[in-house]
Amino acid sequence: ILNVEQSPQSLHVQEGDSTNFTCSFPSSNFYALHWYRWETAKSPEALFVMTLNGDEKKKGRISATLNTKEGYSYLYIKGSQPEDSATYLCAFRGTAGGTSYGKLTFGQGTILTVHP
Amino acid sequence: DGGITQSPKYLFRKEGQNVTLSCEQNLNHDAMYWYRQDPGQGLRLIYYSQIVNDFQKGDIAEGYSVSREKKESFPLTVTSAQKNPTAFYLCASSIFSGGYNEQFFGPGTRLTVL
Repeated sequence: ILNVEQSPQSLHVQEGDSTNFTCSFPSSNFYALHWYRWETAKSPEALFVMTLNGDEKKKGRISATLNTKEGYSYLYIKGSQPEDSATYLCAFRGTAGGTSYGKLTFGQGTILTVHP
Repeated sequence: DGGITQSPKYLFRKEGQNVTLSCEQNLNHDAMYWYRQDPGQGLRLIYYSQIVNDFQKGDIAEGYSVSREKKESFPLTVTSAQKNPTAFYLCASSIFSGGYNEQFFGPGTRLTVL
């Protein structure tokens, strides 16, 4: 079973704070790294698919970076708002031909709570 | 509206009974997945299907069974052999299982075994 780790496990910030959290994954046989946001009582929704070393993706106040050589991705939220409160999941996909290509391996998630 | 439906939202069963969780999608996706979530843990893959009439075991398949007789349906049976079946179960689908395709998730079923 692949090891995909997220840190911290939970995070409490004040409205307006900027924050970031980490996803660590195997640095070998990398194909893609997905980020999902999972709000309470809703289904997880895709945020980004990161594919190349050095990738940076942005959606509004949320951005992500990727380092495949060292096996980590950062998710940043600028000026956090209460509606950003959610669990943020990363998921690793390995290269074609390997056993991990056809599926995603998820980290345990980072629970973000933004206080007004 | 296109999407994934799971039913029921909450399910209660007595210990020793098999139970089947429903998952239907109208997105015309080839691939479908079943995940389990427990407190403090990420989504763990139970089974996945890349195409109709084909499925593979995920990381925690013991005590579960699936079928994929139709493209739009991927039911999961939690058998009495599953030692700790109480959990939140999520179904997902994607256009196909590889590539950069994102997975789309259903609303989940919370199973409680009494």
